[in-house]
Amino acid sequence: SQQGEEDPQALSIQEGENATMNCSYKTSINNLQWYRQNSGRGLVHLILIRSNEREKHSGRLRVTLDTSKKSSSLLITASRAADTASYFCAMGFNTNAGKSTFGDGTTLTVKP
Amino acid sequence: DTAVSQTPKYLVTQMGNDKSIKCEQNLGHDTMYWYKQDSKKFLKIMFSYNNKELIINETVPNRFSPKSPDKAHLNLHINSLELGDSAVYFCASSQDIPGGAEAFFGQGTRLTVV
Repeated sequence: SQQGEEDPQALSIQEGENATMNCSYKTSINNLQWYRQNSGRGLVHLILIRSNEREKHSGRLRVTLDTSKKSSSLLITASRAADTASYFCAMGFNTNAGKSTFGDGTTLTVKP
Repeated sequence: DTAVSQTPKYLVTQMGNDKSIKCEQNLGHDTMYWYKQDSKKFLKIMFSYNNKELIINETVPNRFSPKSPDKAHLNLHINSLELGDSAVYFCASSQDIPGGAEAFFGQGTRLTVV
């Protein structure tokens, strides 16, 4: 299966702490994206990292990609209650990110 | 303005009925998709269209038929609805560029078959 696995499945932290989510996949990718999904809402794109990149930043988000280990991580620093959501990684095996295969997601709860 | 909009947001219907979900994107993207998210939040791609042509058709019952009248619209028609079709269906779109591009998702249609 090309499906990605995310770890942990659920994460609960206090506001201000950092949250790290991991994603592993099985075959070579073109790119890997991270999305956030608030309860009852659609997915919102966070970061896309290409296979020739190792790290990307966006505000409080940091994504790393290790193609030799076929894994990626999403770090959210100084978390806020509003970061509470499900986070999905998606592996792009073709040129178009929308054809991606999604991981099972990590549910993050940030307690105020 | 909503980038990817789908209607209806909620759909409750009886087994055996036929229903449609509509999707429109105003981003000028070439490619549109339908995803299904089950009760465990697992997201699976169903169909992908590029410039009105079907390019991905995953293992989906043929009761599901996508229709793309133009590249800004991708509708999903479902015949003879079954209980197992209950899920949230997401439409998405993206630009087709080398190296990949982000996908923009609609807000989802929660389908409940009773």
